[in-house]
Parts: sequence; structure tokens; C-alpha cells
Amino acid sequence: GAGVSQSPSNKVTEKGKDVELRCDPISGHTALYWYRQSLGQGLEFLIYFQGNSAPDKSGLPSDRFSAERTGGSVSTLTIQRTQQEDSAVYLCASSPAGGQGLSGANVLTFGAGSRLTVL
Amino acid sequence: DQQVKQNSPSLSVQEGRISILNCDYTNSMFDYFLWYKKYPAEGPTFLISISSIKDKNEDGRFTVFLNKSAKHLSLHIVPSQPGDSAVYFCAASETYKYIFGTGTRLKVLA
Repeated sequence: GAGVSQSPSNKVTEKGKDVELRCDPISGHTALYWYRQSLGQGLEFLIYFQGNSAPDKSGLPSDRFSAERTGGSVSTLTIQRTQQEDSAVYLCASSPAGGQGLSGANVLTFGAGSRLTVL
Repeated sequence: DQQVKQNSPSLSVQEGRISILNCDYTNSMFDYFLWYKKYPAEGPTFLISISSIKDKNEDGRFTVFLNKSAKHLSLHIVPSQPGDSAVYFCAASETYKYIFGTGTRLKVLA
């Protein structure tokens, strides 16, 4: 697609339920990132994919969080047994490659985000 | 440990004047620095970048300055326009990873 697409745009769930957030990156982009932005906070790195593998999962806050990417394209972020502190905007970004190139900065293109509210 | 800091949560500037947004970092291994702009209910959009081997990069009304010895970068917007009102994030990267600051909300007054 023309841009990074995320769904749902808004999700309200009850504490303890599982949620899945989906990201459709720009076609051909091999690198995919998940970030989250809690109220009043900056963008917090969660996980990085290069192709289908995730060489860096260091930002996932707990083992309730997991993510996968299939076919080098769509990614799903799953949060199990949601807690109120999971409430945030979850942002997905993609880029042509995972590292900086000779041509300049490897720019991330972000989706509009999925706003998660846990009651 | 916050590696990228934006110490001013908000800034108000009169239309036509210069806006200066600041960012400090702690990791001397960062090799690229980027600025993003974010409107409500939208994802951040890329504005301008600078490599660690340069000290200035200009793109239209936007100029980014990098002071490596002080581990400080700034974004200058001149002249500021009401449409520039948004939250601005600086980001620093080392290889694939991007670390973002907490953002500065810019309000340009007409």
C-alpha cells in the first residue's frame, strides 16, 4: 500500500482480555518496528523485525507481549491478559532496510497508530 | 536511563518568528539524528535528518544543527506558521534502533 496501515484504530477492552493489533507495512519494506506512546510520554521502542525475524525484542515490557511477522509483511502485536497500564497508542513503522545506508538516514514511516484503552 | 531528552515540554511562538526546539542525548555512538512532527490522531511524520559527520542540514524553512561535543541538537523553523503547531520528536539512531525523546509541543500563534 501507499502507507503503513494499522488496525484497529481504536480498541477498548476489559482488564484481563487479550488483544491483537495489526500492522500492514509499506510494500517492500524489510524492516518493521513497534513503538508505543503512553499518555504524556515519548515513543517507547518495543520490537524490531528484519524480514520475519525479530533480532531485537528488548523493548517488550513483559512476557504478556508478543509479536510476529509473516511473509515479510504483516505484523501482529498481541497483548495477553491486558492491564490498565497497557493503555497507550501503539505505533507501527516500516523502513526499506534496518540500518543506515550510504545514501543517508534510514527513515521510518509510521502508521496512524492503534489506541488501546484497558478498562 | 533516558538517552534522548527534550527538556521543554511546550513552546509558544508568534507567527513569522523563529521556533527553536532542543534535544540532548547521552550516547556518543548515535550516528543519525532525525526530527519528526506529530499531529493529533496521526502517526509521526519525518521532517529532517542529520548525520553525525555534519553540523548543519537545511531543508526549506527547517534547519537542524548538531553540536557533537555538547551532545545537543536543535531544530530551527523560520518563519514559523500556524500549520507548524504540532508535537516535535527528536530521534537518534545507532544502526537499526531509533530512540525518541518525549516531544515538545509547539504552538504557533497567529
